[in-house]
Amino acid sequence: NAGVTQTPKFQVLKTGQSMTLQCAQDMNHEYMSWYRQDPGMGLRLIHYSVGAGITDQGEVPNGYNVSRSTTEDFPLRLLSAAPSQTSVYFCASTDTGTEGETQYFGPGTRLLVL
Amino acid sequence: AQSVTQLGSHVSVSEGALVLLRCNYSSSVPPYLFWYVQYPNQGLQLLLKYTSAATLVKGINGFEAEFKKSETSFHLTKPSAHMSDAAEYFCAVSEFLRGGGGNKLTFGTGTQLKVEL
Repeated sequence: NAGVTQTPKFQVLKTGQSMTLQCAQDMNHEYMSWYRQDPGMGLRLIHYSVGAGITDQGEVPNGYNVSRSTTEDFPLRLLSAAPSQTSVYFCASTDTGTEGETQYFGPGTRLLVL
Repeated sequence: AQSVTQLGSHVSVSEGALVLLRCNYSSSVPPYLFWYVQYPNQGLQLLLKYTSAATLVKGINGFEAEFKKSETSFHLTKPSAHMSDAAEYFCAVSEFLRGGGGNKLTFGTGTQLKVEL
């Protein structure tokens, strides 16, 4: 049971380039989320999904797209990277079977946009 | 929208001393509350959570937190700090997402704990 995995661990992009951050979980959780972490700002929700084929926006969705074709995978796409998207990105998977719905986080992807 | 305030972005304690990390939340209804720990270059790991059962919650690594509704607080404590406790700690409160999307976590800005010899 690998939990939540994210690839790549590190990435450097030039402004305007596109890329996809991969996230996968093997816990059969329906709910998955993407957060970005910036110094002094904690984690902020970008997009989330309540199941395959269903996604919705969080508090900072601009510049990011998501899709959910399977329960296991929840990729995050940057269509045209901007320096403001330099951040650490965390994917989370939610266990709704426990009271309080515990979220499990992946190890993160560090992204630098030049 | 809910919010979380963590007082003190940096806290320094001596090894063996009491650890106290402060968290206050804003919520009109009793929330679910969480403490997460993040070690350098790693993801977030759940320390403990409050889900309206016992107000004193025990977590991993000797940490505990007490929910005080009257003070809207959920402070994290550990009686005796260890060098391995040096990390960043995040308090979070949950709220329901629209469309049955489960809970959204709203995080505080984090407290970096330094443990000195």
